[in-house]
Amino acid sequence: AQSVTQLDSQVPVFEEAPVELRCNYSSSVSVYLFWYVQYPNQGLQLLLKYLSGSTLVKGINGFEAEFNKSQTSFHLRKPSVHISDTAEYFCAVSKILTGGGNKLTFGTGTQLKVEL
Amino acid sequence: KAGVTQTPRYLIKTRGQQVTLSCSPISGHRSVSWYQQTPGQGLQFLFEYFSETQRNKGNFPGRFSGRQFSNSRSEMNVSTLELGDSALYLCASSRSTENYGYTFGSGTRLTVV
Repeated sequence: AQSVTQLDSQVPVFEEAPVELRCNYSSSVSVYLFWYVQYPNQGLQLLLKYLSGSTLVKGINGFEAEFNKSQTSFHLRKPSVHISDTAEYFCAVSKILTGGGNKLTFGTGTQLKVEL
Repeated sequence: KAGVTQTPRYLIKTRGQQVTLSCSPISGHRSVSWYQQTPGQGLQFLFEYFSETQRNKGNFPGRFSGRQFSNSRSEMNVSTLELGDSALYLCASSRSTENYGYTFGSGTRLTVV
């Protein structure tokens, strides 16, 4: 079975500082990995995805993530955060199902709080 | 282009009632999935529809059901509501079977009292 672990439930950081949100996954097969962001009272917005190819993935809003197969990690980074980055961030792994299609298995989320 | 539209945004129901939530996917998207989000259980997969057929179902009781119409619009229904069904219900659509990442709607916040 696939699972996703987000090690930090909350990450406080000052504005303009760098941030890393950690994500580890477990899977016996090749995976597709995603990071989503959720602002209050909103749905999930896709930040970036790793399907194959380059292990460094660049996404929207200046975020990037690195796929590390040996460490089964997919950590999200941003070199300089802004107050508007305050939100909850979810790491997810996609599993292809026997009936066709796929489903996302999410981590428990990391609340990023950017302070002035 | 228009995103994934979920209606209504907010809903209050009484225990024992039933509820129907609606989702209109992005034009051209044929796969629609539903997820439940609660503080205790996080984000959990409910089911996925493709071309009017339910392809996959998560680990939820039979009170949770859904369907998809020929225009790819989807509805989910919860019968005999329980307090624990209070949650944010998210709909997501994608083009088909590729793992390109789903586009989510803003969700329907269901409160059962």
